[in-house]
Amino acid sequence: GENVEQHPSTLSVQEGDSAVIKCTYSDSASNYFPWYKQELGKGPQLIIDIRSNVGEKKDQRIAVTLNKTAKHFSLHITETQPEDSAVYFCAASRGSSASKIIFGSGTRLSIRP
Amino acid sequence: DAGVIQSPRHEVTEMGQEVTLRCKPISGHNSLFWYRQTMMRGLELLIYFNNNVPIDDSGMPEDRFSAKMPNASFSTLKIQPSEPRDSAVYFCASSVSAGVQETQYFGPGTRLLVL
Repeated sequence: GENVEQHPSTLSVQEGDSAVIKCTYSDSASNYFPWYKQELGKGPQLIIDIRSNVGEKKDQRIAVTLNKTAKHFSLHITETQPEDSAVYFCAASRGSSASKIIFGSGTRLSIRP
Repeated sequence: DAGVIQSPRHEVTEMGQEVTLRCKPISGHNSLFWYRQTMMRGLELLIYFNNNVPIDDSGMPEDRFSAKMPNASFSTLKIQPSEPRDSAVYFCASSVSAGVQETQYFGPGTRLLVL
């Protein structure tokens, strides 16, 4: 079945440095890749998404890249701040309203002051 | 705007008891999803509805779990009888379904502990 693998499971970076989280997916028909941030005691919240017709998307300090050939996609956070500390989930789906979203196992990001 | 509303936020019950979790999706959203989150298994999709109709319930663990969506503004997830391994955080999410995949908005979750 569909599978999304996410690495690393934990990541600690110095405030101001960059953080990179990587994911791979198994379903070659996947064409929608959202990223969610989950803070303690809250539900996951979408922070950025990318569709397969583009290779990169940026939103301020956050960027996602997609390599459909290799079935890899990544989240890049630059100039990290304490409020970036959270669990981040990548996900993949076939992109139709009837498609399931398959989530990765999550990355716990800690920002060291 | 009110987001997805879930109740209760916390539930502690004893093994064998019935548990009912409730969800009110965002007004205007026509898809609703129930997820379970545990340390061991991560975030798992249990079931989702489109226009109040169950589309895929392949993630429902077993017959002890059932979900309903009697109208566009309310859904329930019921566990009967509950077991300690059902302890988890249960999330409800909703989205607009209009052909392409749209953002799923998650509720705050219900933290369930079965003793």
